Amino acid sequence: GAGVSQTPSNKVTEKGKYVELRCDPISGHTALYWYRQSLGQGPEFLIYFQGTGAADDSGLPNDRFFAVRPEGSVSTLKIQRTERGDSAVYLCASSPRMGEQFFGPGTRLTVL
Amino acid sequence: AQTVTQSQPEMSVQEAETVTLSCTYDTSESDYYLFWYKQPPSRQMILVIRQEAYKQQNATENRFSVNFQKAAKSFSLKISDSQLGDAAMYFCAYRGGSQGNLIFGKGTKLSVKP
Repeated sequence: GAGVSQTPSNKVTEKGKYVELRCDPISGHTALYWYRQSLGQGPEFLIYFQGTGAADDSGLPNDRFFAVRPEGSVSTLKIQRTERGDSAVYLCASSPRMGEQFFGPGTRLTVL
Repeated sequence: AQTVTQSQPEMSVQEAETVTLSCTYDTSESDYYLFWYKQPPSRQMILVIRQEAYKQQNATENRFSVNFQKAAKSFSLKISDSQLGDAAMYFCAYRGGSQGNLIFGKGTKLSVKP
C-alpha cells in the first residue's frame, strides 16, 4: 500500500508569508506526528494527533504554528508570519495507535 | 526530561567490515522503547531496529543488532558485513511507554568505503 506522503516536497517563501504543509498518512493509522528537522540536527517533535484531536502539542515553538486534522486522516501544518529560523525539513509520521511510526519524505521549507 | 546523545558525528567503515554506532540516553521512566532509524539523502526515515526496555535480550534484524545496557543507559547499533547502501545518517531515538512522540539524538553520519 501507499506510504506517508507529504506535499509540497519543497517550499520557498518570503519572510512574513503564510504557508501550509500537508501530510497524507497511511490509511487506517490513527496517530499522526509532525517533527521539524533543522540542518545537522535530529528531528524535533512538534505535535501529535490521535484521531482528530491533538493529543500533545507541547513541541509547537510558538503561536505562529498550528496544525489540524479535521477528519482524522490528512493533516495540515500551518505557519503564520514565517521567519528565516523556520527554515527546516518538516517530517510527518503516522502509526497505528502507539505502534511503529512510518515517516514521509518531508517538506523542505526555505524562508528567504 | 528525557535526552538522547550520540557522541559520534561521523563514522567510516570499510565495505564488508563491522561498525558500531554509540547512543546513550537519560530517563527516569521504567517503561520505554529505543529505536535506530536510518535517513538516506532522500530524507525518508526508515526504522532499522527497535528494543523494548523490558526485554533483556538484545534485538537483531539480519545484519543489524543492538547492545542494550539498561543500567548504563546505553544502546549501541552494530552493523555487520557493511554494504555501500548502509551509508546514511543514523539516528537513535527514545519513546516513553505512555508517550506518542519520539526523542531523537543528533545523528551519526556513516560512510562506507568500497
